[in-house]
Amino acid sequence: DQQVKQNSPSLSVQEGRISILNCDYTNSMFDYFLWYKKYPAEGPTFLISISSIKDKNEDGRFTVFLNKSAKHLSLHIVPSQPGDSAVYFCAASARAGSYQLTFGKGTKLSVIP
Amino acid sequence: ETGVTQSPTHLIKTRGQQVTLRCSSQSGHNTVSWYQQALGQGPQFIFQYYREEENGRGNFPPRFSGLQFPNYSSELNVNALELDDSALYLCASSLVTNQETQYFGPGTRLLVL
Repeated sequence: DQQVKQNSPSLSVQEGRISILNCDYTNSMFDYFLWYKKYPAEGPTFLISISSIKDKNEDGRFTVFLNKSAKHLSLHIVPSQPGDSAVYFCAASARAGSYQLTFGKGTKLSVIP
Repeated sequence: ETGVTQSPTHLIKTRGQQVTLRCSSQSGHNTVSWYQQALGQGPQFIFQYYREEENGRGNFPPRFSGLQFPNYSSELNVNALELDDSALYLCASSLVTNQETQYFGPGTRLLVL
């Protein structure tokens, strides 16, 4: 039973355009959400997070949107750059307890110059 | 600020053997978590340690065990290795005041033959 789902295994975007990565979750106890970026042979790098009390969080070119009623979040990257090419993981946690992260399977983003 | 380091980077074992993986947490971080990432999957939570005690465990059998030391370094031990234990093992650390955000090491790739 996958509690965090990233239904698009891959995404290709032209340099300078917007990249939109999507994530759905099923567990209503999740109240904190994170996006990580992973290059080959490296560990996941924290990108941006959002608490369930917000519906938007922005950090430079990266914006995360949270729609609690739809149990859906998305990561927007504007403008996309070739260096953004990586696998992006959506993760969620329920703050009560050990803060364990539940990850999706990832979306491979390719930004084409 | 030092990053999270892990050793060794790669390891080959045979079925039935035991393995110990090591992690050195980021300076000032006193919570450490371990994750298993199988090929094509997102990281899966194994357990978390805080103040040298286990502080939450995922769906992994008791042959997966760990230790956290006073200097916030950590070990993951796996007994009676099985072929399905072949994976990338990731260590992540966080501040107790901000446990939601975990910072990952580069991982140890374990191959069980």
